Amino acid sequence: EVRLVETGGDLVQPGGSLTLSCAASGFIITNNYMSWIRQAPGKGLEWVAVIYSGGGTNYADSVKGRFTISRDNSKSTVSLQMNSLRTEDTAIYYCARHSGSYENDHWGQGTLVTVSS
Amino acid sequence: EIVMTQSPATLSVSPGERATLSCRASQSVSSNLAWYQQKPGQAPRLLIYGASTRATGVPVRFSGSGSGTEFTLTISSLQSEDFAIYYCQHYNSWPRTFGPGTKVETK
Repeated sequence: EVRLVETGGDLVQPGGSLTLSCAASGFIITNNYMSWIRQAPGKGLEWVAVIYSGGGTNYADSVKGRFTISRDNSKSTVSLQMNSLRTEDTAIYYCARHSGSYENDHWGQGTLVTVSS
Repeated sequence: EIVMTQSPATLSVSPGERATLSCRASQSVSSNLAWYQQKPGQAPRLLIYGASTRATGVPVRFSGSGSGTEFTLTISSLQSEDFAIYYCQHYNSWPRTFGPGTKVETK
């Protein structure tokens, strides 16, 4: 069974940093693209970042240069390092797997990041 | 960036009735279109991919159609558990973008 569990969400001040982790089980993370997708309170879904099966990465313009996605193959985890956080980064952050046909077929339960002074 | 729009924003339907949700892309996404269902306090759940293929375990009352820029999600006979927000998303290019959602509520 595919399972994704996000951790690391917290309250952080503007300008601060935070690292989110996604623990994956039931599949091999290097076989799939893995994305972070966020949802601001009461709002819609926004794709944030992807790490490709080959290890390359891509980012939404809104986070480029501030966020870094990475993975630890030995621990089967995908991480999102977030720097220079802004109030508009406040959201639930979901880890999501891309299937072989590239839609997001499995999602974690999400972790809440609140950026506020 | 491809902009996704959805209509209506809110759909009021009685249980047992048919619901038709629309999604439009600002440029062609071929059939690289997915639909997700989200209930309060839960993560999104994949319903449809490839514009018309039901994901594993999705009831047959859910169907998708369309290609290019115009897509439709149809729920043939609404059940109580179907009242939720539905999002479309393209995966034809980066960045992936989602529509703003259609809330299906009880009439």
